[in-house]
Amino acid sequence: DQQVKQNSPSLSVQEGRISILNCDYTNSMFDYFLWYKKYPAEGPTFLISISSIKDKNEDGRFTVFLNKSAKHLSLHIVPSQPGDSAVYFCAASGVYAGGTSYGKLTFGQGTILTVHP
Amino acid sequence: DADVTQTPRNRITKTGKRIMLECSQTKGHDRMYWYRQDPGLGLRLIYYSFDVKDINKGEISDGYSVSRQAQAKFSLSLESAIPNQTALYFCATSDFQRERSTLFFGPGTRLTVL
Repeated sequence: DQQVKQNSPSLSVQEGRISILNCDYTNSMFDYFLWYKKYPAEGPTFLISISSIKDKNEDGRFTVFLNKSAKHLSLHIVPSQPGDSAVYFCAASGVYAGGTSYGKLTFGQGTILTVHP
Repeated sequence: DADVTQTPRNRITKTGKRIMLECSQTKGHDRMYWYRQDPGLGLRLIYYSFDVKDINKGEISDGYSVSRQAQAKFSLSLESAIPNQTALYFCATSDFQRERSTLFFGPGTRLTVL
């Protein structure tokens, strides 16, 4: 059962435009969400996160929005740049029965973003 | 220098062989993890260790074992490799004391089992 889903395998945008990557989750115990970016031949790198007590978090060109009632989050990149072309993974974590699960992330399938010059 | 290193970076092996993937970190983190990435499935947790004496199974631990030799070293073994273990393997670390749930990944090991 895929608890974190990224339903768009790929996204193509023009340089300077907005990129919107979407992510849905099913587990109501998730209370912390992250986005990772991955370039070929490299490991994923942390991009931005959001706690469930917030509905928005910004870091420069990157903004993550969280809609808890819809169990949906999105990553906005404005303006998009060719160097943003990568695979983006959504991830989630929460505290489960029996103690902390910090660091145990559940990942989505990833979305390949291509930004054209 | 990389904070999280993995060896080897690429490995081709045959069905039934024993394989060990190694991970070292210089970040000083207590927690270490092994994930595998498969196309269309994202990253899935194999094993994790919150300290040297604490090792736990993840969601897909069957066919794998791990050893935490020291705080900085965490190795993953495939006792008898099979073709569906062909994947990209990532080691990761985290420091719960500083930031919740932020994982730092190594560069990955591409494993092919023929």
